[in-house]
Amino acid sequence: EIVMTQSPATLSVSPGERATLSCRASQNVNTRVAWYHQKPGQAPRLLVHGASTRATGIPARFSGSGSGTEFTLTISSLQSEDFAVYYCQQYTGWPPAFGPGTKVEIK
Amino acid sequence: EVQLVESGGDLVQPGGSLRLSCSASGFTFSTYSMHWVRQAPGKGLETISAITDDGGGTYYADPAKGRFIISRDNSKNTLYLQMSSLRAEDTAVYYCARRGSSDYYNDYWGQGILVTVNS
Repeated sequence: EIVMTQSPATLSVSPGERATLSCRASQNVNTRVAWYHQKPGQAPRLLVHGASTRATGIPARFSGSGSGTEFTLTISSLQSEDFAVYYCQQYTGWPPAFGPGTKVEIK
Repeated sequence: EVQLVESGGDLVQPGGSLRLSCSASGFTFSTYSMHWVRQAPGKGLETISAITDDGGGTYYADPAKGRFIISRDNSKNTLYLQMSSLRAEDTAVYYCARRGSSDYYNDYWGQGILVTVNS
């Protein structure tokens, strides 16, 4: 079973600043990684799939990169609506596995 | 607009059973695989089951094997999860989620339904 890890657990960022979130897979998942964010009391929302393809309606300030076992989600200029928990997910093996999440909070 | 609406959540005693439903609209339900993903209180996300578009293939993560059954009725645009032998650790918000158009990520999610297992 593929295990996903994320760092840091919490990221404190000021509005307008850049945020960089990391995700690591326990084995090669090629580019079959997605990123989601989840606000309190809401369902997760897909941001990026295929490691770097933004989902429909997702602003350009979100960008994903990486392949193999190392992946990054960058938010170029944090807006108030971006403060949330971010999860990466691999979907090359069953079951599709999520990382434990990175909470992006207001500094 | 794609909509997924879960129902059937409840408080159930350990060892009990429950059936969750997910009503889909805004897309051709019969052409998409579907997943159930759960989230225990204050915890992360866990995919527990999936079903192919025609219902011919079903998949279960270890916590669901032998206790949960996923099914669908394409004539009713509805996904189901029959849960039995429920345990306290099954307490979670259960989301139905659509498989992405190009791969096994989840592009649309329901709002989630709470299942509480407690005596």
